[in-house]
Amino acid sequence: DQQVKQNSPSLSVQEGRISILNCDYTNSMFDYFLWYKKYPAEGPTFLISISSIKDKNEDGRFTVFLNKSAKHLSLHIVPSQPGDSAVYFCAARDQGGSEKLVFGKGTKLTVNP
Amino acid sequence: ETGVTQTPRHLVMGMTNKKSLKCEQHLGHNAMYWYKQSAKKPLELMFVYNFKEQTENNSVPSRFSPECPNSSHLFLHLHTLQPEDSALYLCASSQASGSQGYSNQPQHFGDGTRLSIL
Repeated sequence: DQQVKQNSPSLSVQEGRISILNCDYTNSMFDYFLWYKKYPAEGPTFLISISSIKDKNEDGRFTVFLNKSAKHLSLHIVPSQPGDSAVYFCAARDQGGSEKLVFGKGTKLTVNP
Repeated sequence: ETGVTQTPRHLVMGMTNKKSLKCEQHLGHNAMYWYKQSAKKPLELMFVYNFKEQTENNSVPSRFSPECPNSSHLFLHLHTLQPEDSALYLCASSQASGSQGYSNQPQHFGDGTRLSIL
């Protein structure tokens, strides 16, 4: 049973507009959440993270929002650029375990010029 | 350019072969990980090494045998694999906390080894 779900396999956005990628989780013991970006033939690259004690973290064009009551987090990219086109993975860490991360299946973002 | 290097990038082997995947990290981290990514599935954690000690084995079959000789190197020894083991194998490293608390540090990934079992 998937503990981290990314229900949208793909998302297409126009350059300059906002991209919103969503992630839902079921395990209330998750205390640290991350977003990774992956280009073809490369490994996942860390993008941004958020601790469960916060509800927002911002880094340049990227903002992650966490809604613990809804067990939902989202990644906002604004403005979107064609170079942002990649697969985005949401991941979560269980505070009761080791440094183990649980990943979602990913959302493929396409930013059109 | 990644601080985590995996070799080989591609590997084709028969079911009776023995091969090894290698991972090296240049980030000064103390924890290393093996993940498996099969088609249309999320990344699955296989093994965790923290300060060279294995702290997690995610019910991985014994035909996969990890080895961590030091905090910079991680190997995955493969023996008598099955066709369903064909996948992308990713190595990662992080700066994990040595105490009971956890460091909020991300894991950094290599580019993976694409493994095909004939």
